[in-house]
Amino acid sequence: DVKVTQSSRYLVKRTGEKVFLECVQDMDHENMFWYRQDPGLGLRLIYFSYDVKMKEKGDIPEGYSVSREKKERFSLILESASTNQTSMYLCASSSNLAGNYEQYFGPGTRLTVT
Amino acid sequence: GQSLEQPSEVTAVEGAIVQINCTYQTSGFYGLSWYQQHDGGAPTFLSYNALDGLEETGRFSSFLSRSDSYGYLLLQELQMKDSASYFCAAETGANNLFFGTGTRLTVIP
Repeated sequence: DVKVTQSSRYLVKRTGEKVFLECVQDMDHENMFWYRQDPGLGLRLIYFSYDVKMKEKGDIPEGYSVSREKKERFSLILESASTNQTSMYLCASSSNLAGNYEQYFGPGTRLTVT
Repeated sequence: GQSLEQPSEVTAVEGAIVQINCTYQTSGFYGLSWYQQHDGGAPTFLSYNALDGLEETGRFSSFLSRSDSYGYLLLQELQMKDSASYFCAAETGANNLFFGTGTRLTVIP
């Protein structure tokens, strides 16, 4: 079974803090993604990566950065957390194998910034 | 800009059939996916349509019309456990998805 794990289910941080969200997948997937999910807005792509040390901006990258030093691990960084970054953060991974269209999601991290 | 439109809420009776529509407007399009998400859970993949037509997987079917920029998810023989949110997602680049805002399906007895 594909497994995507995220470092925390719940996280509370203060405004201005640097926040690290970690994601690990165990299926040797090439692609990894970070989304945020807010009520009424669906899932919005923050950043994605197609390979180690490679990153691409998604639809809402402002205020975020990412790091992918190893194939299995993709980190989301909030350089200076703000209250409008309170959200559910979902990590996903997928394979480049032909005919594969599925993204596998982690359980999510609910981040509250106070 | 890009957009995927789907109804925000749908209610249906157990045992019935329900159709969730999705219209899309994207800068690139490779195919349409559907994901299910139960409250407190992670989204899980249901189906993908790259070509026009109907794809069937058990009680769930998904349809795509590229000429109409339209697709739908059809759920048959509804069960209480089908109560969840359903998201359509357009593949706009290799493995890159743009999600709709989701449809909350409530199945009632």
